[in-house]
Amino acid sequence: EDQVTQSPEALRLQEGESSSLNCSYTVSGLRGLFWYRQDPGKGPEFLFTLYSAGEEKEKERLKATLTKKESFLHITAPKPEDSATYLCAVQMGTGNQFYFGTGTSLTVIP
Amino acid sequence: ETGVTQSPTHLIKTRGQQVTLRCSSQSGHNTVSWYQQALGQGPQFIFQYYREEENGRGNFPPRFSGLQFPNYSSELNVNALELDDSALYLCASSFRLAGNTGELFFGEGSRLTVL
Repeated sequence: EDQVTQSPEALRLQEGESSSLNCSYTVSGLRGLFWYRQDPGKGPEFLFTLYSAGEEKEKERLKATLTKKESFLHITAPKPEDSATYLCAVQMGTGNQFYFGTGTSLTVIP
Repeated sequence: ETGVTQSPTHLIKTRGQQVTLRCSSQSGHNTVSWYQQALGQGPQFIFQYYREEENGRGNFPPRFSGLQFPNYSSELNVNALELDDSALYLCASSFRLAGNTGELFFGEGSRLTVL
């Protein structure tokens, strides 16, 4: 059973066209939800950590929000350099592992 | 501040061989985790090392093993390589405090191809 599901799998936006990426999770005892950006052939780059429902974090054109069952990554007025795969991960219970989704591949067209 | 560094960046092995991948933690971090990322998939947890001991393991067979050294660097060893072991191997370091792993900071990965 998938514990972290991301949608859509791929998203193409025109430069300046705002949108949202979704990460839904089916875990109990959430300790943290994490967003990462990954460029092709590179390691994931840390963006945000969210710990409790209602929490929001912002960084430049990105804003992450968290509810009890899902998280959204809002991208406002994206630029071509925002093109990447965005990964969501959760940490739960007493375990040490992060459970990753398969990511959303974002392409921003000039 | 030095980030997480991994070596080698790319390598090609044949089925049945053994491989060792290396990782240097980010300065100030005390925990190392290893993840396997197949093409088009999210990273999958292999194991974590803290205080030079394995501290959590994902669904990987015993032929995947590791070490953490006193300077917090780490090695991932894979024996009896199989074709399905072809993937990007990611090392992530973090600062573990009060039992919490903390945010993971990843290296650029080692791309392993098994022929």
